[in-house]
Amino acid sequence: SAVISQKPSRDICQRGTSLTIQCQVDSQVTMMFWYRQQPGQSLTLIATANQGSEATYESGFVIDKFPISRPNLTFSTLTVSNMSPEDSSIYLCSVEDWRNTGELFFGEGSRLTVL
Amino acid sequence: DAKTTQPPSMDCAEGRAANLPCNHSTISGNEYVYWYRQIHSQGPQYIIHGLKNNETNEMASLIITEDRKSSTLILPHATLRDTAVYYCIVRVRDSWGKFQFGAGTQVVVTP
Repeated sequence: SAVISQKPSRDICQRGTSLTIQCQVDSQVTMMFWYRQQPGQSLTLIATANQGSEATYESGFVIDKFPISRPNLTFSTLTVSNMSPEDSSIYLCSVEDWRNTGELFFGEGSRLTVL
Repeated sequence: DAKTTQPPSMDCAEGRAANLPCNHSTISGNEYVYWYRQIHSQGPQYIIHGLKNNETNEMASLIITEDRKSSTLILPHATLRDTAVYYCIVRVRDSWGKFQFGAGTQVVVTP
């Protein structure tokens, strides 16, 4: 199994500012995934972060709004840029079991509230 | 478009079996059925997955129909801690993390 730590666990932000969320994994992983969960909604994949290459974004998500870094095999950051109240969500980092069994491990999430 | 259909909610009495249905009538031959759950304010937790055979682990059992168009997750003895949103997801096994989460089923276990 993998243990994933996210920081911050929650934050309240002002409109127009940016916030960077950190994700630390206790083992080396090839890919890390960032999900968003808007209030009362299900999870939506934002992007896949590969070490040493640009992140791959899903439809509806762009790098200018959600820049991602992946400096090594255990760490990634997601920045939510120029925030608006619509960005109020839980942002979740996840990794997949290295055996590719399909078991995704999730962090506890970062709950952002934008005023 | 959602690949699975689940009831939005269901209640279950503590100690009884909870049977959670999922329809996936358009499932492809190489797609697996995965179940996750999300307890309030926590990250989703993997429960079980299967291709065509029934599967059982320490948490639950997964029954997949012969035509694979539907499945049932069984929690054999529901406890209050099983109250959560349960997600049924189909995906190709090597699609690395690309899970399409639907709305799920809100399960409430009552004393």
